[in-house]
Amino acid sequence: GDSVTQMEGPVTLSEEAFLTINCTYTATGYPSLFWYVQYPGEGLQLLLKATKADDKGSNKGFEATYRKETTSFHLEKGSVQVSDSAVYFCALNFIIQGAQKLVFGQGTRLTINP
Amino acid sequence: GAGVSQSPRYKVAKRGQDVALRCDPISGHVSLFWYQQALGQGPEFLTYFQNEAQLDKSGLPSDRFFAERPEGSVSTLKIQRTQQEDSAVYLCASSSAMGLAHYEQYFGPGTRLTVT
Repeated sequence: GDSVTQMEGPVTLSEEAFLTINCTYTATGYPSLFWYVQYPGEGLQLLLKATKADDKGSNKGFEATYRKETTSFHLEKGSVQVSDSAVYFCALNFIIQGAQKLVFGQGTRLTINP
Repeated sequence: GAGVSQSPRYKVAKRGQDVALRCDPISGHVSLFWYQQALGQGPEFLTYFQNEAQLDKSGLPSDRFFAERPEGSVSTLKIQRTQQEDSAVYLCASSSAMGLAHYEQYFGPGTRLTVT
């Protein structure tokens, strides 16, 4: 079945470091791809999305490109801040027979030290 | 505007008890989803409603789990005869779109269920 595999955490970086969190997927058809973020004490919220191959999603300095040839959607940020500390989830969304669902990776906990 | 709300936020149940978890989606959202998130894991899909119709319940782990959305708005997830393995955070999400894969799902804060 469809699945998402994320880079295992936890990841600890210093402020202003470059961030990459790897995400690869297995899917039949053409899913949309998402990164969700869960800040401490808060609910899941959408960070960015891409709906077709070669699309780039971006938000708050984060970027991810939908790569169909490598079935990947890696999250990157050029210079992280302490406030980026959170758990990040890669997900795909697809529709089968009128029903839709999100399939999530296991999450990557990111800690940024000042 | 108001987001997705869930109640209760925390629930402790003794093994064997029945529980009911409530979700109030964003007003006007036709699609509603339930997910289960075990500690340290990503959310896993349980069930999907489009208005009052339950279109997919393939993720419900057993027949002890039952969800309803009778008027196409508020939804209730019921778990009968709770077991320790049911301990998790139960997330509700809603979306304004039907059958459109790229529309955002808005998540509630979740209900943390602990079965003792």
